[in-house]
Amino acid sequence: NAGVTQTPKFQVLKTGQSMTLQCAQDMNHEYMSWYRQDPGMGLRLIHYSVGAGITDQGEVPNGYNVSRSTTEDFPLRLLSAAPSQTSVYFCASSYQVSGANVLTFGAGSRLTVL
Amino acid sequence: GQQVMQIPQYQHVQEGEDFTTYCNSSTTLSNIQWYKQRPGGHPVFLIQLVKSGEVKKQKRLTFQFGEAKKNSSLHITATQTTDVGTYFCAGQAGGTSYGKLTFGQGTILTVHP
Repeated sequence: NAGVTQTPKFQVLKTGQSMTLQCAQDMNHEYMSWYRQDPGMGLRLIHYSVGAGITDQGEVPNGYNVSRSTTEDFPLRLLSAAPSQTSVYFCASSYQVSGANVLTFGAGSRLTVL
Repeated sequence: GQQVMQIPQYQHVQEGEDFTTYCNSSTTLSNIQWYKQRPGGHPVFLIQLVKSGEVKKQKRLTFQFGEAKKNSSLHITATQTTDVGTYFCAGQAGGTSYGKLTFGQGTILTVHP
């Protein structure tokens, strides 16, 4: 049982390049989400999905796209990378405990945009 | 939108001292969760609090949820070097089961041996 798997772990991009951060979970969780972590800012929600075919924006969605074609996969696409998108990205899937949305995080993807 | 403020941002303690981090929400929460992130790692779920005034303990860790369900605290008794990391609170607003979580900024705990 791998949990939440993110790839790549590290990536360096040039401004304007595009890329996709991959996220897969094998726990059959309905809810998946993407966060970015920046120093002093905590974890900020980028996009989330409550099931296959359903996605919605979080707190900081600009510059990112997502899709959810299967329960297992939730890729995050950077359309035209900017230095402001340098960050650590975490994918998470969720199960419910007494109505609470408890997150299981992947190991993270560290992205640097030059 | 919902905001969750967490203080302090940093805390340095000597091993054996106590540590507390506080979390305040701008809105009433349906539940609050706490996560720990070790240096270089990813956040890991510690506990959730659902009921007004709830207190839960995990060994040396004590978690409280305020009566108004807008604030929470995490207290660690007699810190150890293994407690080093960033502690996040995350508030979930009322409504759907898959309500969005809003994270606090985190408290970075350093424990000096």
